[in-house]
Amino acid sequence: DAGVIQSPRHEVTEMGQEVTLRCKPISGHDYLFWYRQTMMRGLELLIYFNNNVPIDDSGMPEDRFSAKMPNASFSTLKIQPSEPRDSAVYFCASRERGTANEKLFFGSGTQLSVL
Amino acid sequence: GDSVTQMEGPVTLSEEAFLTINCTYTATGYPSLFWYVQYPGEGLQLLLKATKADDKGSNKGFEATYRKETTSFHLEKGSVQVSDSAVYFCAGGSNYKLTFGKGTLLTVNP
Repeated sequence: DAGVIQSPRHEVTEMGQEVTLRCKPISGHDYLFWYRQTMMRGLELLIYFNNNVPIDDSGMPEDRFSAKMPNASFSTLKIQPSEPRDSAVYFCASRERGTANEKLFFGSGTQLSVL
Repeated sequence: GDSVTQMEGPVTLSEEAFLTINCTYTATGYPSLFWYVQYPGEGLQLLLKATKADDKGSNKGFEATYRKETTSFHLEKGSVQVSDSAVYFCAGGSNYKLTFGKGTLLTVNP
């Protein structure tokens, strides 16, 4: 398996533009997570899905952020409009079905820079 | 809510030195505890885990013991290598959610 695949690896955009980050989880994994990593706040959980349904979006910073999972093999995280403070590394992770303590598999992340 | 506090870095060691990275957690119930490692330019990878009190997780020479009485899960390695240079994250959770510490950057010099 190729692992969790994220695209793009790097994104540079201007303030006010729409940004869409993409994720393909590992086939057969029921859970998908979006995390944001910054120097100041570390790794924060934004939202997670189970069987394509959003379960907990309490970590989504504000209405400018939205996430979808139209099918089991694809998810997007959208920021509209983007702001400089959104600059961070965004990670997608997936987990196979089973116990709550199974390990997460992370993608390589998307480095987002908003100018 | 759950929280994980880990030793702030950066930590710089010479090859073959002893490593300890402290981690404590606050949670309702008894969460499972994990250490993840992030190499430059990559996502996080599971290093080791422990699911109940007094469990010891181990992998690649790293160890950590789940201490309920001190709510700790400190990471140790007896002799670090240059290839261990990375960011280490302590994490804890239950109910399908993990809370991560802020990470500790380790640099090992030859």
